[in-house]
Amino acid sequence: AQSVTQLGSHVSVSEGALVLLRCNYSSSVPPYLFWYVQYPNQGLQLLLKYTSAATLVKGINGFEAEFKKSETSFHLTKPSAHMSDAAEYFCAVRSGANSKLTFGKGITLSVRP
Amino acid sequence: GAVVSQHPSRVICKSGTSVKIECRSLDFQATTMFWYRQFPKQSLMLMATSNEGSKATYEQGVEKDKFLINHASLTLSTLTVTSAHPEDSSFYICSARNEGANGYTFGSGTRLTVV
Repeated sequence: AQSVTQLGSHVSVSEGALVLLRCNYSSSVPPYLFWYVQYPNQGLQLLLKYTSAATLVKGINGFEAEFKKSETSFHLTKPSAHMSDAAEYFCAVRSGANSKLTFGKGITLSVRP
Repeated sequence: GAVVSQHPSRVICKSGTSVKIECRSLDFQATTMFWYRQFPKQSLMLMATSNEGSKATYEQGVEKDKFLINHASLTLSTLTVTSAHPEDSSFYICSARNEGANGYTFGSGTRLTVV
């Protein structure tokens, strides 16, 4: 079985501050990991994905994430938050031949001026 | 990049009627598509996996006869909510597995309101 844990429901940062959104996963086989962003009343947009290549993955809009097997983590970071980053963020895992994605419960990012 | 078109974006229907939602992959073939339901401020709940040319696989607790899924071609999957009731009001999102890109592309979602 696979699962994703995103602790907390809301993160608030100041504009220009570091963004850190945490994601821990559970998987019995090497996983594929994804971060998605969702704006209100829209679908999900892929930020980045880990598919067993480089452990440090760079995505769109200045986001990156590092796969740490020993910590079963795939935390999302961005050095400097922008107002437009305010949205809902979901971490997801896919493992093995099962093509299903399992999502975390999501976390809301707010950016203060 | 890969695009999935989902229509309609919003629909309001009367209780007891049926509503069809379409999900199309525009520039790639999708053998597998997924249908999710999302309640306000919550995560995506997988309803079913749709495979081209075969019956959909429904998640536990999802009524097959209420949520009819058809995946007749490699670029189109449809979800029909039959005999809709107010409790079916929700945000429905489809995604298509893009095997070439080792990823998943999501539609923009459909806000269903049953009155």
